[in-house]
Amino acid sequence: NAGVTQTPKFQVLKTGQSMTLQCAQDMNHNSMYWYRQDPGMGLRLIYYSASEGTTDKGEVPNGYNVSRLNKREFSLRLESAAPSQTSVYFCASSTSGGNQPQHFGDGTRLSIL
Amino acid sequence: AQSVTQPDIHITVSEGASLELRCNYSYGATPYLFWYVQSPGQGLQLLLKYFSGDTLVQGIKGFEAEFKRSQSSFNLRKPSVHWSDAAEYFCAVAGNNDMRFGAGTRLTVKP
Repeated sequence: NAGVTQTPKFQVLKTGQSMTLQCAQDMNHNSMYWYRQDPGMGLRLIYYSASEGTTDKGEVPNGYNVSRLNKREFSLRLESAAPSQTSVYFCASSTSGGNQPQHFGDGTRLSIL
Repeated sequence: AQSVTQPDIHITVSEGASLELRCNYSYGATPYLFWYVQSPGQGLQLLLKYFSGDTLVQGIKGFEAEFKRSQSSFNLRKPSVHWSDAAEYFCAVAGNNDMRFGAGTRLTVKP
């Protein structure tokens, strides 16, 4: 049972480089989410996709873009990475809607120098 | 928008002792409430949830939480802590469309 799979697990970038974080779920969930986790701040929502074909901004969307490629996959792109985007990124999915329990991947640890 | 406060950044308890982690929320309507646990290097795992009905909810790993509307609280409890419970715990509140997480409480368990 894979659940939510994120790739890569670790990445180091230089300022200004671009990068796409991949996420796939095999639970037939409608909704998918991208969060960042920073020390002392919990998880903050970057973008979400309530259903295939839709995406919406969350609490901290600046500097990021997303693509809901199909029902299974939801990618997060950093077009021009900045040191402030150094964080651990989590993808999650739920059956439908943000008020349902979410299933999380193991995260991508991203460092930007 | 809804918000969550976890007043305790770090708690240390002895193995076998009881545990209570505090969570206070702010939301205008009846909230959906959750507790998640995160072990090092892992994603978050759902411990329990409250949607409606009985205000005392049971979760996995022997955890329970009580919803108190008058205090806007949803505290997590365990009668006897095991060394494997050492982790970070997050309370979350959801409205109709999105979920907001607290900053987390790190639990250390002393032998």
